[in-house]
Amino acid sequence: DTGVSQDPRHKITKRGQNVTFRCDPISEHNRLYWYRQTLGQGPEFLTYFQNEAQLEKSRLLSDRFSAERPKGSFSTLEIQRTEQGDSAMYLCASREGTGNTIYFGEGSWLTVV
Amino acid sequence: QKEVEQDPGPLSVPEGAIVSLNCTYSNSAFQYFMWYRQYSRKGPELLMYTYSSGNKEDGRFTAQVDKSSKYISLFIRDSQPSDSATYLCAMSYILTGGGNKLTFGTGTQLKVEL
Repeated sequence: DTGVSQDPRHKITKRGQNVTFRCDPISEHNRLYWYRQTLGQGPEFLTYFQNEAQLEKSRLLSDRFSAERPKGSFSTLEIQRTEQGDSAMYLCASREGTGNTIYFGEGSWLTVV
Repeated sequence: QKEVEQDPGPLSVPEGAIVSLNCTYSNSAFQYFMWYRQYSRKGPELLMYTYSSGNKEDGRFTAQVDKSSKYISLFIRDSQPSDSATYLCAMSYILTGGGNKLTFGTGTQLKVEL
C-alpha cells in the first residue's frame, strides 16, 4: 500500500490522558497536513509541514496539541490532557512538492470518555 | 458566516439520475477548487480538481466553477448505488512555503437508490 498511512485507526481514551497519532505520508511527499473532522462537518485544517518545518498552525491547535515531523518523514500529533471535545477523526494528508493534489489517509478516530 | 457553504442534504435520488451538488464561497483568494468523496468512516478521496472558471469532465463527473459568482458545482451522470457517499467541496490558496490550506464545506450526503 503506497497511500497515506495512519496509526492507530481507533483510540478510546479517558479524559485527561495523553494520546499520540502517527502518520506516514506517501513516499517522497515533502508536504504533510493534519486536519480534524467531527461528525456532520467537513475536515478543518490544523497544521502544515514542509519537510521537517512546521510552517502553519491553525488557532484550532491549542497548547494541548503538538505536532512534529522529525527528519521530514513521518509525523506525530500528540494531544495532552484530552477533553471530550477532542473526540473527532484526525486526518493526515500529503502532497508532493510541485503537485496540487492532496491525498488523505483513512484517519484516526479518537473517542474521549 | 462560513467561508464555504454547502447544503448538507441528505439527497436521495433514483439510480440513473443526474445529481447536482453545489457550494458557494466568500473568499476571493481561493484559487483551487476540488471535490472529494468520503465513504462512512473513511478518509476523503479526491474526485475532481480545477483552478479555472468553466467545466472539467472526467467520466461521469463534471466539475463547474464560476468565479464571478463564487459558485462551484459537481454533476454526476447516470448515478449508481456505489456513488452513495458524502461529497465534500474544498477550496484552497497557497500558503507560505508553497503548501495549500484546504477549506471544506460541510459535505452533502448522497444516497442513490435502486
